Amino acid sequence: DGGITQSPKYLFRKEGQNVTLSCEQNLNHDAMYWYRQDPGQGLRLIYYSQIVNDFQKGDIAEGYSVSREKKESFPLTVTSAQKNPTAFYLCASSTFPSGPLDTQYFGPGTRLTVL
Amino acid sequence: AQSVTQLGSHVSVSEGALVLLRCNYSSSVPPYLFWYVQYPNQGLQLLLKYTTGATLVKGINGFEAEFKKSETSFHLTKPSAHMSDAAEYFCAVSDGGYQKVTFGTGTKLQVIP
Repeated sequence: DGGITQSPKYLFRKEGQNVTLSCEQNLNHDAMYWYRQDPGQGLRLIYYSQIVNDFQKGDIAEGYSVSREKKESFPLTVTSAQKNPTAFYLCASSTFPSGPLDTQYFGPGTRLTVL
Repeated sequence: AQSVTQLGSHVSVSEGALVLLRCNYSSSVPPYLFWYVQYPNQGLQLLLKYTTGATLVKGINGFEAEFKKSETSFHLTKPSAHMSDAAEYFCAVSDGGYQKVTFGTGTKLQVIP
């Protein structure tokens, strides 16, 4: 079955540590996205990538980094510079460059908790 | 700039009653509009979307939404609520720019037996 996988489902981190969240898709989609979800705030875009080896900052990129070395993979690193990293992180993908007529498909999410 | 406002962070309905979740948007260009559903600790699933054409859009699980340009609204409805509809619902808008989608803050739907 085609889809998006995120791992791990739950992640605990000590303050000052970097941590990497995995996102893999087998939908053959060109574009991939990372969102952060906090209660009452909806989804906020962290980074997005339209093609391999290229990515753009979203609305809240500070304290995060990404890479896009393969079409299928778009890992997100939460660095120690991120002041309040505890949140639910969602990865999504879509075809490109079909524009907004297409749909973003979401993974199941990773819940990150900083201890 | 585009934005989405969802009126009511929590909505409760009785099983079998009408579901109405409100969404208003602002966009400087003709918008593309979406409704997503999220069950606890899961990702988002597309319910329906409006791009162009017919303003009444039918989606999965018996939901539908009507695009009203004059009211800048895209409210989500379902004639009869089911217990399985309990979830959080997100309205989203895109202005057509490289998949830049803006999400609302979500509405949690509670269905009372």
